[in-house]
Amino acid sequence: GESVGLHLPTLSVQEGDNSIINCAYSNSASDYFIWYKQESGKGPQFIIDIRSNMDKRQGQRVTVLLNKTVKHLSLQIAATQPGDSAVYFCAVNAGGTSYGKLTFGQGTILTVHP
Amino acid sequence: DTAVSQTPKYLVTQMGNDKSIKCEQNLGHDTMYWYKQDSKKFLKIMFSYNNKELIINETVPNRFSPKSPDKAHLNLHINSLELGDSAVYFCASGPGPGAYEQYFGPGTRLTVT
Repeated sequence: GESVGLHLPTLSVQEGDNSIINCAYSNSASDYFIWYKQESGKGPQFIIDIRSNMDKRQGQRVTVLLNKTVKHLSLQIAATQPGDSAVYFCAVNAGGTSYGKLTFGQGTILTVHP
Repeated sequence: DTAVSQTPKYLVTQMGNDKSIKCEQNLGHDTMYWYKQDSKKFLKIMFSYNNKELIINETVPNRFSPKSPDKAHLNLHINSLELGDSAVYFCASGPGPGAYEQYFGPGTRLTVT
């Protein structure tokens, strides 16, 4: 079956550092990848996405890297701030006609210390 | 304005009861979803409706029944609640079944005692 996992369940950084959160997926047919941020007591919030025809995409302070060869994606957060403290999820689609179905990874807890 | 809203935010009930959670979105989206997040934060899709039609129906006990009266609303009714149903349930909406960017509601924390 399809699985999506993370290498590290927790990440603790100092304010101002760069953060890297990793995600591995198993389905080679997946062609859409998305990162969500979930703050305590709230629903997941879209951060950035990337399609399989790209290997890098940048947003504001965030960059997603995709390596389809090893089925791995990462989220890089530049100059991490205390407000970035949250649980981060990667999610992937099933490929083909999957009606928007996303499979979520287990989540990484990011803690930013002032 | 709240994009995706859910009621109630907290729901505490006893085993065997029947309860409903309501969801509304004002984003004009065609597709809505129900997710379950367990105590380990694992998030799993349960159902999806596109324009009132069920398009995703994961392996969920048939005690769970979604209903979409119109494309802006998706409710979840749960019969004969069990302890294992305790979780946070999230509603989400998206532009369409082929689009993956989904907008989540604040969640409903269900506690079954």
